[in-house]
Amino acid sequence: TQLLEQSPQFLSIQEGENLTVYCNSSSVFSSLQWYRQEPGEGPVLLVTVVTGGEVKKLKRLTFQFGDARKDSSLHITAAQPGDTGLYLCAGARGFGNEKLTFGTGTRLTIIP
Amino acid sequence: DTAVSQTPKYLVTQMGNDKSIKCEQNLGHDTMYWYKQDSKKFLKIMFSYNNKELIINETVPNRFSPKSPDKAHLNLHINSLELGDSAVYFCASSQARDQGPLHFGNGTRLTVT
Repeated sequence: TQLLEQSPQFLSIQEGENLTVYCNSSSVFSSLQWYRQEPGEGPVLLVTVVTGGEVKKLKRLTFQFGDARKDSSLHITAAQPGDTGLYLCAGARGFGNEKLTFGTGTRLTIIP
Repeated sequence: DTAVSQTPKYLVTQMGNDKSIKCEQNLGHDTMYWYKQDSKKFLKIMFSYNNKELIINETVPNRFSPKSPDKAHLNLHINSLELGDSAVYFCASSQARDQGPLHFGNGTRLTVT
């Protein structure tokens, strides 16, 4: 059973369009992280959200943590080819990074 | 300078062999990890190592063993390789066990034939 389900699993859209990726769980997390992974590389942290309802912006990327701290979303405005990659959410439960659970991933392709 | 580096990048070997993957971090971090990413891109922790304390994911077969000669290095040794071990293995580090984000290496793609 996956603790963190991401949707959609795959998303291919035209450059300039907007999109939202979801990360859902039935469990409560103390914090939630979003990573982006490009082919042949390791995941790179984009943001960490900690407080229920928290919204963080990173240029054209907007991250939101659900009020109940069970879910999160990533919204990209005016997508660009450089946004292409595998997006992973990761939820923290308890003490220690070893308790970080990664989501199932969303593979995003932006078509020029 | 690569913060977390792992070698080799690719590893192709036959069933039953023993192999090692090396990892080094130059970030001065206290905690290092090994993750396995399967063909569906699901990333799962295998081990974390902090100040000589090893925390093992209970689902990892004992054919896998981490070895840390010092704080900056955490190698992964695999005995009697099986077909199901084929995956991408990522090393990562963090400032402390409960502090700081994970910094990942670029992965080692292991193929067992």
